[in-house]
Amino acid sequence: EPEVTQTPSHQVTQMGQEVILRCVPISNHLYFYWYRQILGQKVEFLVSFYNNEISEKSEIFDDQFSVERPDGSNFTLKIRSTKLEDSAMYFCASTPLEGTSYEQYFGPGTRLTVT
Amino acid sequence: SQKIEQNSEALNIQEGKTATLTCNYTNYSPAYLQWYRQDPGRGPVFLLLIRENEKEKRKERLKVTFDTTLKQSLFHITASQPADSATYLCALRSGSSNTGKLIFGQGTTLQVKP
Repeated sequence: EPEVTQTPSHQVTQMGQEVILRCVPISNHLYFYWYRQILGQKVEFLVSFYNNEISEKSEIFDDQFSVERPDGSNFTLKIRSTKLEDSAMYFCASTPLEGTSYEQYFGPGTRLTVT
Repeated sequence: SQKIEQNSEALNIQEGKTATLTCNYTNYSPAYLQWYRQDPGRGPVFLLLIRENEKEKRKERLKVTFDTTLKQSLFHITASQPADSATYLCALRSGSSNTGKLIFGQGTTLQVKP
């Protein structure tokens, strides 16, 4: 069964460094998402991406964050200058159709630790 | 303000019993509501979706109800098994969002004892 994959599974970085989290969504999906989950807290929406542009973003997704779909398969989240509070699990998700009413398929996550 | 609330206390039940989890929301007009399962250190896994015009949905041992008047969804697992032990997340798609953005509750941890 097709699945969303994410790399790396764990990333440790120093405060102020740039990180890129990578995702390969399911191949025929059209909507892509990033969510994050701080330890012990809710899964929080960061950004949605459709037709090669951001369709919606949360207030968390400030100028330090960016997303890109550099080719037909990868979907990346970049944090330009990491802060301690960026430490969290980051989940990529994708949806097969228009993205407006269907279930989202989540990847296994990348645990980001900022020291 | 908008809120989605799930019982933050863990639910402990005996194998074979029915587990019932609650999701309450305020100040939302959700187009649909979804339930996900999350195991420790893993991503959420979709279980069931119920639309605003549906009262009940079933899938194998799972049943979801949706009461837009009470602003509540109930999630039932019948004949529960130790393998059902996990955290269960309720998620809403706001009617004002066209992008499928999901808003999650904090989850309820279910522990099924053999």
